Amino acid sequence: QSALTQPRSVSGSPGQSVTISCTGTSSDVGGYNYVSWYQQHPGKAPKLMIYDVSKRPSGVPDRFSGSKSGNTASLTISGLQAEDEADYYCCSYAGTYTFVVFGGGTKLTVL
Amino acid sequence: QVQLQESGPGLVKPSQTLSLTCTVSGGSISRGGYYWGWIRQHPGKGLEWIGYIYYSGSTYYNPSLKSRVTVLVDTSKNQFSLKLSSVTAADTAVYYCASVLSSGAFDYWGQGTLVTVSS
Repeated sequence: QSALTQPRSVSGSPGQSVTISCTGTSSDVGGYNYVSWYQQHPGKAPKLMIYDVSKRPSGVPDRFSGSKSGNTASLTISGLQAEDEADYYCCSYAGTYTFVVFGGGTKLTVL
Repeated sequence: QVQLQESGPGLVKPSQTLSLTCTVSGGSISRGGYYWGWIRQHPGKGLEWIGYIYYSGSTYYNPSLKSRVTVLVDTSKNQFSLKLSSVTAADTAVYYCASVLSSGAFDYWGQGTLVTVSS
């Protein structure tokens, strides 16, 4: 069982928006603004899409955005494209004992 | 742009020690503000953080693996390494190395290497 809870799957049609949630506790997501999101295509390494809750690394389209409310972080993908179909993982800093926790991953299907 | 490449045996026998090396190119492993980490992914499963190290040698480990994990850094070779002792079949996974921002985000990843634990 992963420390952070994500929906197993979400889906949307091209052009639509989808939001993936990531629920933790006050010891991780809720306690720090250090949530990151990763995109992973089959057989490939994960790619950083969002860090520090809402910052985008250079080269990541602005269709990807992140936010947080309380113990739940969210990744929103707007203007869905076929290439967005992938697994998405959230990750949070969790303090000076646990340090890092991941979510179980969400499979995004573009219909 | 930083690039990372894992190397090491793809097959390890049970009870032995898994050893992997990550070679960093395109940037110095000694640059401040960055950590260097290991993450694994069991077949068909999610990501699991193993540990990370600062160039000074300070280490941070997943509590559930801490008793078996050692991460080392060799600044002269621009490499860092992972040792996981007393492995079992449950340690079979793809192992990734990555650069880590000070906030804990893994920004650049190696391609990953599959390590199978089997006799």
